Amino acid sequence: DAMVIQNPRYQVTQFGKPVTLSCSQTLNHNVMYWYQQKSSQAPKLLFHYYDKDFNNEADTPDNFQSRRPNTSFCFLDIRSPGLGDAAMYLCATSPRLGNHEKLFFGSGTQLSVL
Amino acid sequence: SQKIEQNSEALNIQEGKTATLTCNYTNYSPAYLQWYRQDPGRGPVFLLLIRENEKEKRKERLKVTFDTTLKQSLFHITASQPADSATYLCHHTSGTYKYIFGTGTRLKVLA
Repeated sequence: DAMVIQNPRYQVTQFGKPVTLSCSQTLNHNVMYWYQQKSSQAPKLLFHYYDKDFNNEADTPDNFQSRRPNTSFCFLDIRSPGLGDAAMYLCATSPRLGNHEKLFFGSGTQLSVL
Repeated sequence: SQKIEQNSEALNIQEGKTATLTCNYTNYSPAYLQWYRQDPGRGPVFLLLIRENEKEKRKERLKVTFDTTLKQSLFHITASQPADSATYLCHHTSGTYKYIFGTGTRLKVLA
């Protein structure tokens, strides 16, 4: 089945130690998104890629970076994780960029920072 | 600033009853509203989309309404079942591709 896959499901890192979360998709969608969701809060969009074009949300900290080497893969890099970065990180895709496009989510990576 | 609000308190209802969840938006008029279901520790799953010129949309036991005068969308689950227990999120996109989720309402259907 076509899907969005995130690895790992759980990631533990140390304060200040760089960490990379990965996302792959078999849907061949043009757009890939990264959301951060803290406990009992709404998912918050960090950035998205439309094909190779990177679009950063204005309030996304510089500590968060992303790479999309090809259509199928997208990575979230946290350069120096702080305790406040502990959260569920959700990858999503959509066929195109548009107001009516529905999002397809992966199962998420739960990040803990010690 | 644009805001989308859902009742953050959990909603408990008896099996077989209709669950009604509310999504209110302020300071803007979204062209579309989407509803998603999220189970604990999982990513959201798309359920329904409604356009601003549609008053109602249905899919099986689900119904969504969109009232641009009240700035509100209602999400109904009829004949609710324990398996419907989850958090339900509303999501909007506007003309500038601003993607915003509400905080979600946790629904628990009691057997």
